[in-house]
Amino acid sequence: DAKTTQPPSMDCAEGRAANLPCNHSTISGNEYVYWYRQIHSQGPQYIIHGLKNNETNEMASLIITEDRKSSTLILPHATLRDTAVYYCIVRVFGGATNKLIFGTGTLLAVQP
Amino acid sequence: GAVVSQHPSWVICKSGTSVKIECRSLDFQATTMFWYRQFPKQSLMLMATSNEGSKATYEQGVEKDKFLINHASLTLSTLTVTSAHPEDSSFYICSATRGLETQYFGPGTRLLVL
Repeated sequence: DAKTTQPPSMDCAEGRAANLPCNHSTISGNEYVYWYRQIHSQGPQYIIHGLKNNETNEMASLIITEDRKSSTLILPHATLRDTAVYYCIVRVFGGATNKLIFGTGTLLAVQP
Repeated sequence: GAVVSQHPSWVICKSGTSVKIECRSLDFQATTMFWYRQFPKQSLMLMATSNEGSKATYEQGVEKDKFLINHASLTLSTLTVTSAHPEDSSFYICSATRGLETQYFGPGTRLLVL
């Protein structure tokens, strides 16, 4: 699977939008971008995924660049409960295996 | 939907004993379950992939005789840590997926071996 690069940490003010970047310059045409987050001492929580179009759900928006080499996860109105480690993962959807390989992620700290 | 549970949520055991951790998909049938381990301040490391009715596939460096995985039904997988030692103390997390769809994770089990 392609590797991803994320900043180790970011701060965001409560109520403001949190924009978390991810670089995946070696992504293949059939690889999806997945985002999960892990709140301290809990299992990862699925947020969103996409292939090439921008996606939005009740939790977040995912913006993928046209060349698919990077993406941004947007939490529109961050709350203190959004403080977590956010993981950007690329994986083949529909391949022989769908295992996820976690990188080090971005620790988002939402400040009051 | 897509709820995955784990039991127990935490366990303390003596060195040399075996510990079993259960992972259940509550509202869907999971054809594949995964087991991860996470040490403090580190990322999740995949240990093994478990398909219902077949033997688990272990990642390189994971001892299959020490970490026994059973996936006997479409809603239950178990991980048994045999002859546990203090270095096995960790946060064990399972995930489940239906076919090749999105993985959903359990809340994790914290194991402390004394």
